[in-house]
Amino acid sequence: SQQGEEDPQALSIQEGENATMNCSYKTSINNLQWYRQNSGRGLVHLILIRSNEREKHSGRLRVTLDTSKKSSSLLITASRAADTASYFCATDRDTSGSRLTFGEGTQLTVNP
Amino acid sequence: KAGVTQTPRYLIKTRGQQVTLSCSPISGHRSVSWYQQTPGQGLQFLFEYFSETQRNKGNFPGRFSGRQFSNSRSEMNVSTLELGDSALYLCASSSGQLQTYGYTFGSGTRLTVV
Repeated sequence: SQQGEEDPQALSIQEGENATMNCSYKTSINNLQWYRQNSGRGLVHLILIRSNEREKHSGRLRVTLDTSKKSSSLLITASRAADTASYFCATDRDTSGSRLTFGEGTQLTVNP
Repeated sequence: KAGVTQTPRYLIKTRGQQVTLSCSPISGHRSVSWYQQTPGQGLQFLFEYFSETQRNKGNFPGRFSGRQFSNSRSEMNVSTLELGDSALYLCASSSGQLQTYGYTFGSGTRLTVV
């Protein structure tokens, strides 16, 4: 079962606009990660935020984490058509080993 | 350096058959995880191997199994295939420096059971 819920499920914007996606989760975590997937291909790691961090930036990406609300948001600024993809949040609970629990994903469409 | 390589890319099998999927991690990565992606259930964790040992296992029936070799390459096997096993199977490898780099995924094997 999916731990995370993402909203919106689908988002359509124009190039140059900002896109915000939200993710909620249910259990305590070590870190939360965001991934992108293009057309059913493999996942590409975007950014990782640890449970003791509140905000992180990477290029046009900004991630926030609120562990009290068990939620995270991903902001993509100045979006491009190439950003069109599905975006997933994933939580990592284990201190040993890996076991990502993924959200349901947000389908982002950026129109030229 | 080369990414995570999964073979084959596509596979069609008949119900009741068995299948073996292969994953070659990034050189130097010792952790290999497997995930199943379906439209209905999304991305679900199957298992993780580290230094030839299964370190974590998801909630899948015993028909799903895996192993890891001394060179860190991993295989997963599904026996007695069911229609519901049709999915994209993704493999991910990690150096262990998870706090910085996350996981590197392969392009997946798309399995269709008919």
